[in-house]
Amino acid sequence: QVTLKESGPVLVKPTETLTLTCAVSGFSLTNARMGVSWIRQPPGKALEWLSHISSNGDTSYATSLKARLTISRDTSKSQVVLTMTNMDPMDTGTYYCARNLNTVAYRWMDPWGQGTPVTVSS
Amino acid sequence: QSLLTQPPSASGTPGQRVTLSCSGGSSSFGDTTLNWFQQLPGTAPKLLIYNNNYRPSGVPDRFSGSKSGTSASLAITGLQSEDEADYYCAAWDDSLNGWVFGGGTKLTVL
Repeated sequence: QVTLKESGPVLVKPTETLTLTCAVSGFSLTNARMGVSWIRQPPGKALEWLSHISSNGDTSYATSLKARLTISRDTSKSQVVLTMTNMDPMDTGTYYCARNLNTVAYRWMDPWGQGTPVTVSS
Repeated sequence: QSLLTQPPSASGTPGQRVTLSCSGGSSSFGDTTLNWFQQLPGTAPKLLIYNNNYRPSGVPDRFSGSKSGTSASLAITGLQSEDEADYYCAAWDDSLNGWVFGGGTKLTVL
């Protein structure tokens, strides 16, 4: 069974750095057809893709947040870590990680973790 | 970068067929494949459709997807009260090397 579980602080202060961990099980982070993405959702708003790490360690970031984000992985621990610097109240929301699968022709995200809530407030 | 547009809301009555749309803002949309996700209140998104019209195992065949040119749709037949949720389309953008989401459609079952 494939599962992903996010963890991290529930509350961070403005200007602080957020570090979130996605612990995966049931698949390998180095599987050629798989990767992991981070997605967030402000309260009452739409989903927003943040970052992706592929099976070979290649990384990509949302254009608007690229300067603030770093994604990395620890394959020995089956974990993917996302850091976001200079947190702002607008970054409040639920943060999800999701497994990405791909073929030559198409990609999909399944399953998703349960999400972890983050509030940015002083 | 692609832009995916969804109507903010839709509604239907039990047993009805409803269609939710997702339109692409660039010509590259025609070359990409769509995922559809269902997000029930207070839960994480769940994959409903991938590669435009493929259903993962466990997803009822009441849900179907289609895509033509720069527009796509998710159809739900035999609408049920438990289908009341937010629905998102998403596509992989090769230029971004990442996902683009639509703004989501809130489906209300009257």
